[in-house]
Amino acid sequence: SQQGEEDPQALSIQEGENATMNCSYKTSINNLQWYRQNSGRGLVHLILIRSNEREKHSGRLRVTLDTSKKSSSLLITASRAADTASYFCATAPIGANSKLTFGKGITLSVRP
Amino acid sequence: DADVTQTPRNRITKTGKRIMLECSQTKGHDRMYWYRQDPGLGLRLIYYSFDVKDINKGEISDGYSVSRQAQAKFSLSLESAIPNQTALYFCATSGPLWSFGPGTRLTVL
Repeated sequence: SQQGEEDPQALSIQEGENATMNCSYKTSINNLQWYRQNSGRGLVHLILIRSNEREKHSGRLRVTLDTSKKSSSLLITASRAADTASYFCATAPIGANSKLTFGKGITLSVRP
Repeated sequence: DADVTQTPRNRITKTGKRIMLECSQTKGHDRMYWYRQDPGLGLRLIYYSFDVKDINKGEISDGYSVSRQAQAKFSLSLESAIPNQTALYFCATSGPLWSFGPGTRLTVL
């Protein structure tokens, strides 16, 4: 079974707008990670947030984590056409923190 | 050079054939993984290995086997391929950050 559930499943925005993607998970975690995948290619690691962290930034990316609600959000600011991709959240559950469990992914389309 | 490499990158085979997918890494990580990706299902864990002598089944191991030949090499075998094993396969390492290979697109006819 898949631990993470991303929302929405698909998102289409205009270049320059912000994109917000959400992830909910079921069990307690050690950390949560976000990945990007361009059209059936390899996975690119974007950011990792640990269970004791609430917010993290990396360039145009902002990730939040709410362990009480078992949810995370990924915000991409000032989106670009090159951000068009699928985005996945992956969790490392407590007690199994060497395995990552992935959600089904969000398809983001950024229109030029 | 890529840290995690997979061969072949694309493979078309027929039902009943034995096929091996290979993974090599230069990260020096002990932990290696095989995942499968199907459209709309994200990635699911097939097998993982924490060192050369440690092999573990993942969520969907039926129909697959693995071999950890060395710290840097982890291969996935389909003993008798079937069409529903058509998927994109990823090898990954962790230690503690994760690295993924470029994927192998396997089609079973």
